[in-house]
Amino acid sequence: QKEVEQDPGPLSVPEGAIVSLNCTYSNSAFQYFMWYRQYSRKGPELLMYTYSSGNKEDGRFTAQVDKSSKYISLFIRDSQPSDSATYLCAMSDHGGGSYIPTFGRGTSLIVHP
Amino acid sequence: NAGVTQTPKFRVLKTGQSMTLLCAQDMNHEYMYWYRQDPGMGLRLIHYSVGEGTTAKGEVPDGYNVSRLKKQNFLLGLESAAPSQTSVYFCASSYGGQGYNEQFFGPGTRLTVL
Repeated sequence: QKEVEQDPGPLSVPEGAIVSLNCTYSNSAFQYFMWYRQYSRKGPELLMYTYSSGNKEDGRFTAQVDKSSKYISLFIRDSQPSDSATYLCAMSDHGGGSYIPTFGRGTSLIVHP
Repeated sequence: NAGVTQTPKFRVLKTGQSMTLLCAQDMNHEYMYWYRQDPGMGLRLIHYSVGEGTTAKGEVPDGYNVSRLKKQNFLLGLESAAPSQTSVYFCASSYGGQGYNEQFFGPGTRLTVL
């Protein structure tokens, strides 16, 4: 079992829908939780990050962490065709001074007009 | 700033051939990484470096070697390419300090081994 599990999708939704993307993890030492967005044939780019538990909002995007359940989510409100991309979760801990993240496999999102 | 650049963008090799992928960053980052990305497998860490002159193995290091002779460059070598190494290779860099350690990725190199 991988440390970070993420459903690869694809997830296909109509424009304007609320999208929920999720990851589960097994390592309780993870403290930093990140979401990267990767457009087709491009490198990933950091979208949002949260530290420990709680929510963080940035425009149409909300990142949520539930450490008790080892579950993180990314919500996209009023989804747009331009949100079509692969979303990768990533997590890291403080152990040994190394902050190498562990990535999920990514979820492919398609928002159709 | 160019950020993270990768050379070449595309390459086709025959089995047994060798090649070197070059990654360069102009952000004065300490950490640099090489990943491969295959359909359904996500990003898998090959090797990484936490500073000039250092390298370390990642999740899938077999068949690859790396060098970090200069802080801004990180080279990935394939000594004897195999079809299983057909993939998209991404280089990334990060500040490497405490915190979420945001990684900045290059545009990728698409490698096909016949």
